[in-house]
Parts: sequence; C-alpha cells; structure tokens
Amino acid sequence: KDQVFQPSTVASSEGAVVEIFCNHSVSNAYNFFWYLHFPGCAPRLLVKGSKPSQQGRYNMTYERFSSSLLILQVREADAAVYYCACGRNTDKLIFGTGTRLQVFP
Amino acid sequence: GAVVSQHPSWVICKSGTSVKIECRSLDFQATTMFWYRQFPKQSLMLMATSNEGSKATYEQGVEKDKFLINHASLTLSTLTVTSAHPEDSSFYICSASAGTGSYEQYFGPGTRLTVT
Repeated sequence: KDQVFQPSTVASSEGAVVEIFCNHSVSNAYNFFWYLHFPGCAPRLLVKGSKPSQQGRYNMTYERFSSSLLILQVREADAAVYYCACGRNTDKLIFGTGTRLQVFP
Repeated sequence: GAVVSQHPSWVICKSGTSVKIECRSLDFQATTMFWYRQFPKQSLMLMATSNEGSKATYEQGVEKDKFLINHASLTLSTLTVTSAHPEDSSFYICSASAGTGSYEQYFGPGTRLTVT
C-alpha cells in the first residue's frame, strides 16, 4: 500500500536545528515535497526534489525512500504542521499525516 | 507568488442538501486542479484531478456522482457535495497548477464542511 510516514509531533527549543523525518512505501515515487501549513492558511511548498536541497533555513536530505526536513535556527513562529509528500512528479502526491512542530523558548 | 482562494472557508449544512465549494486561481491560469479531503488526524487524500474543459479523474473509492467536479475555466473549479451526510464532514482543500508533471501545486486555504 502506498503510504507516507512521519512523526505526529516534534518539539524543539528556539535556536536549535529541528529534524522532521519522513519515509514512504510509494511505488515509483522518487520525489519528496515538504509543505508548511498554518491552520486556516494554504499549505506552502518549502523544498522539493530527488536530491538534497536547501531553500533559506530549510534543508532537505534525500534517500530513495526517506527524507528529512531540517529547519535551521528554529523560531517560535515556525510552530506549525509540516507535511511530507511523495510522488513521481507533481501530478499525484501522496501525503503523510503531518508533523506538528512545537517550539519552546 | 501564485495565489489560490477557496470559498467558503467553512460551511454548515443539513443532511441531504448539496454544498458547492469554489476554488480559484487568482493570478495564473490553472490547467490542472486537484481536490483533496482531510479527516481529523489523517493525511490529505487526493479525491480527484481535473483538467480545464474535460471530465475529472477520480481516485479509487471516491464516488463521482456524489462529488461533482466542474473545471469550466482556467481559473475556476468547483466541487459539489451532493446529498451530504454527516460522514462527509471534513476539510476539503484544492490546489492548482499551471500544467502537469513538474509544475508546482499551489494550495487554497481549505473549506471546513460540517453536515448536521
């Protein structure tokens, strides 16, 4: 069954590097997509691809069936839900259940 | 950046009635639009993919006669939940892209549907 797995909650202190892990069992999917979602707002794409990449404070690691989102110098304002999604391309994304990030001062 | 809006943001309806949700791309032409549903503590599940001017492609297990999708223009897609029942209560979210394949999906803010 095509599934994407990620932890339900991750907690961190301000200023630290946070890692959110994701792995999948999706056949023919070799791209990862990481989205940021504040309740009531539209999910926003942070970083994507089939290789390690970085966009500002967001780093994405890449293995064939797993990826981690690393958030550098995490802030309280980063507290939100982060979704990992997988797909062969953007036509059909399989989403994880989301990871709620808690940031403590 | 690309903006996608949804209307309404939340709706409460009685069982047996129909509800229409609109998804609009505000500053780009959306060749393809996607409709997702999310139940509490579950992931965003793709319901259907629609291309402008053609019939939507529904995912397995999604009733096309219950969830009517219309994508009549490059900036508007609608999802109509017909004869809604309490089990249809969910968070419905759309996304839009300028094409297929490598084009990014831009998401709307979602619509919370509650059926009483």
